Amino acid sequence: ETGVTQTPRHLVMGMTNKKSLKCEQHLGHNAMYWYKQSAKKPLELMFVYSLEERVENNSVPSRFSPECPNSSHLFLHLHTLQPEDSALYLCASSQEEASGLRNEQFFGPGTRLTVL
Amino acid sequence: LAKTTQPISMDSYEGQEVNITCSHNNIATNDYITWYQQFPSQGPRFIIQGYKTKVTNEVASLFIPADRKSSTLSLPRVSLSDTAVYYCLVGEGKNTGFQKLVFGTGTRLLVSP
Repeated sequence: ETGVTQTPRHLVMGMTNKKSLKCEQHLGHNAMYWYKQSAKKPLELMFVYSLEERVENNSVPSRFSPECPNSSHLFLHLHTLQPEDSALYLCASSQEEASGLRNEQFFGPGTRLTVL
Repeated sequence: LAKTTQPISMDSYEGQEVNITCSHNNIATNDYITWYQQFPSQGPRFIIQGYKTKVTNEVASLFIPADRKSSTLSLPRVSLSDTAVYYCLVGEGKNTGFQKLVFGTGTRLLVSP
């Protein structure tokens, strides 16, 4: 138990569906992240939120839309996905310092997404 | 932008020391090097973090040369439960703050009896 929970753990959706992934952290951290992990690929950073403001967006297609309503919750809204978007989506949180040096990230268990 | 690369896989036996190297020649000047362990169907878990020279904790050591363009994770006396995928994580580029975070390609370690 890392203090970061993700729901659902598994999701199957069609290309025309709209769904959302949810992440919640119970660690009091001020930064949250979405990563994509595909088979045989490194983890890819998608979005970073620091103090509820998006500070990183690594050229992710607009069919992925993040939302961070407060420092404890992070959502990833999905619409009109493609089969190649099937992957494990991981959420993480960390406590970032004003100096900019990076502290360890705590990861959730991930949501296994399958797009048919 | 150079990739952050690691050997794809390594094999070892129980009780041996394992050293896994990560090449990150575009690392940001003010960022830590962090290593994570990942088991199947789980998120990565923090192992160790360092900036330069050598860092040691209760589970591993991290060796970082002066140029910081690589790092080596050292696992002393591995056990079967250390079978997992190991990733390095660095920030790349020249900007401060939230640089581009890049995970290494991952090393699958298999420990046999």
